[in-house]
Amino acid sequence: DAGVIQSPRHEVTEMGQEVTLRCKPISGHNSLFWYRQTMMRGLELLIYFNNNVPIDDSGMPEDRFSAKMPNASFSTLKIQPSEPRDSAVYFCASSLETGASNTIYFGEGSWLTVV
Amino acid sequence: AQSVTQLGSHVSVSEGALVLLRCNYSSSVPPYLFWYVQYPNQGLQLLLKYTTGATLVKGINGFEAEFKKSETSFHLTKPSAHMSDAAEYFCAVSAGDSNYQLIWGAGTKLIIKP
Repeated sequence: DAGVIQSPRHEVTEMGQEVTLRCKPISGHNSLFWYRQTMMRGLELLIYFNNNVPIDDSGMPEDRFSAKMPNASFSTLKIQPSEPRDSAVYFCASSLETGASNTIYFGEGSWLTVV
Repeated sequence: AQSVTQLGSHVSVSEGALVLLRCNYSSSVPPYLFWYVQYPNQGLQLLLKYTTGATLVKGINGFEAEFKKSETSFHLTKPSAHMSDAAEYFCAVSAGDSNYQLIWGAGTKLIIKP
């Protein structure tokens, strides 16, 4: 079975540009997560969707960040305008259920560099 | 509040030697505990997890971890390290009823010396 699919894998963009990261969760999974990983801050949850509805977006850094999940098989994370401090690896992940013991399946990440 | 502490941001062992990665947690309720592994340039994947029952949990690639409630620990071990084990390892603890509420450790990078 295909895992979580993210695109692009790598993106280099100039400060001020809009960045859109895309994610296809594992089919049948009802929970979707966007994480950000940096050396300084480690792994941070940005936003969590359940059944396509945003449940917790308290980790979204600021209004420049937005996320959508228009259907069960697609989600986007958008940064507009981008800044150098947004440079990080962004992971999309999904899980079959929401319970605390459920495994989270990660994509391979989108490596973003803002110059 | 729940928290996770991984001792040592980097651990270096020789190939064939014992691997021991330490994780201590604090939790006000019986926890679910996880170890995830991140190989270079890849996403995280589950190595093993403790939910209920047997406190010694076996995972993939020969790793195991033991839940010790009295020590609030969930250390990860492997008897004999392989070069392919070089990766970053993350401990995580549940902090609520949902898996989006996981508390993640800072990670330990495992270096294998030939």
